[in-house]
Amino acid sequence: KAGVTQTPRYLIKTRGQQVTLSCSPISGHRSVSWYQQTPGQGLQFLFEYFSETQRNKGNFPGRFSGRQFSNSRSEMNVSTLELGDSALYLCASSLEGGRTPSWRGYTFGSGTRLTVV
Amino acid sequence: QKEVEQNSGPLSVPEGAIASLNCTYSDRVSQSFFWYRQYSGKSPELIMSIYSNGDKEDGRFTAQLNKASQYVSLLIRDSQPSDSATYLCAVAIPGGYNKLIFGAGTRLAVHP
Repeated sequence: KAGVTQTPRYLIKTRGQQVTLSCSPISGHRSVSWYQQTPGQGLQFLFEYFSETQRNKGNFPGRFSGRQFSNSRSEMNVSTLELGDSALYLCASSLEGGRTPSWRGYTFGSGTRLTVV
Repeated sequence: QKEVEQNSGPLSVPEGAIASLNCTYSDRVSQSFFWYRQYSGKSPELIMSIYSNGDKEDGRFTAQLNKASQYVSLLIRDSQPSDSATYLCAVAIPGGYNKLIFGAGTRLAVHP
């Protein structure tokens, strides 16, 4: 069974540009979450999608956006890149709809390492 | 106060010893708790989940939950050098759908 696939693995962008990252969840998983990981802030929640609907959003500026397609694949977009956006961006997928104590958590993809210069 | 707190370490233990990793959380109504392992340069990997008070064992790993004390721990028995990694504690936000709040992680170093 294929895992969570993120593309591309590495990206180098210039300040002011925009970037789109892609995530294909595990087959059958309908929930996709995105996280930003930096050495200083750790793992920070960006947003979560389930059946093409954004159900939850973290405390990031509006430059960070995402969407989910009918096949559960998801993309996140960062516009007007800043140096501080350099990070590892992780996508995670989950089978269940959440909101239950027995939720089994996420499976993470390998991540996209974004460097803004 | 951070929502999920962990000692950053490094926690250094000899091979074969028990490594004990601790985590406290602030939201009393949290119900689901997770331990992820992250090797340097890799993505987090789920080790254990727990949502009932008490112990849950899986191989060399035991997760312990005490909701009254808002405390979660992970014990690694017979630690191996391959266990050297950062261990992330995560708490599911009640009513927050599939949203986990992560601690900063504890770096574990197992030396031969």
